[in-house]
Amino acid sequence: GESVGLHLPTLSVQEGDNSIINCAYSNSASDYFIWYKQESGKGPQFIIDIRSNMDKRQGQRVTVLLNKTVKHLSLQIAATQPGDSAVYFCAENIDPGGGFKTIFGAGTRLFVKA
Amino acid sequence: DSGVTQTPKHLITATGQRVTLRCSPRSGDLSVYWYQQSLDQGLQFLIQYYNGEERAKGNILERFSAQQFPDLHSELNLSSLELGDSALYFCASSPRGDSGELFFGEGSRLTVL
Repeated sequence: GESVGLHLPTLSVQEGDNSIINCAYSNSASDYFIWYKQESGKGPQFIIDIRSNMDKRQGQRVTVLLNKTVKHLSLQIAATQPGDSAVYFCAENIDPGGGFKTIFGAGTRLFVKA
Repeated sequence: DSGVTQTPKHLITATGQRVTLRCSPRSGDLSVYWYQQSLDQGLQFLIQYYNGEERAKGNILERFSAQQFPDLHSELNLSSLELGDSALYFCASSPRGDSGELFFGEGSRLTVL
């Protein structure tokens, strides 16, 4: 069915290290993927997106990788900072014919140790 | 600040009651989405409206309903409330209804006692 899942519920990294957050998706027809960051007490915020015709996209300190063969995407955060501590969600755009939906995964909580 | 406004921020009510959550999208955005987030859980898609019409439906309970008004604000109505309905309810908006980044409000925290 429609689902976007995450491999790890929590991730703890040392400040300054790189973080990698993984996500598996199930719908082969999905053509657009987004990573969101949710800080405590706030709504999710867009980080970076990628379309299915790409396998890599870079932003400021963040990179998203898409592997359509195994239906996997990852978010890499370079030089992780305390302000990066949050829950990260991958999301998948699905249009199964009943209307477009953005489906979120369960989330990974990132802890950054000073 | 995303530009999406949700009211009320907090709401405490009793089982069996009915509540209405309100959302004002970003200026110019035609599409509104509602999501439910239970404690330490992901976001469950409830429903989407585009320019006043229902566009997509998720796992929304029959006790829940929503609408988008001509001025594009939206309301989510929750009735016959149960303890399990306690959650954060997020509204998001986007310029169109077919793809792209969603802009989320700060959420309405509903507590059912």
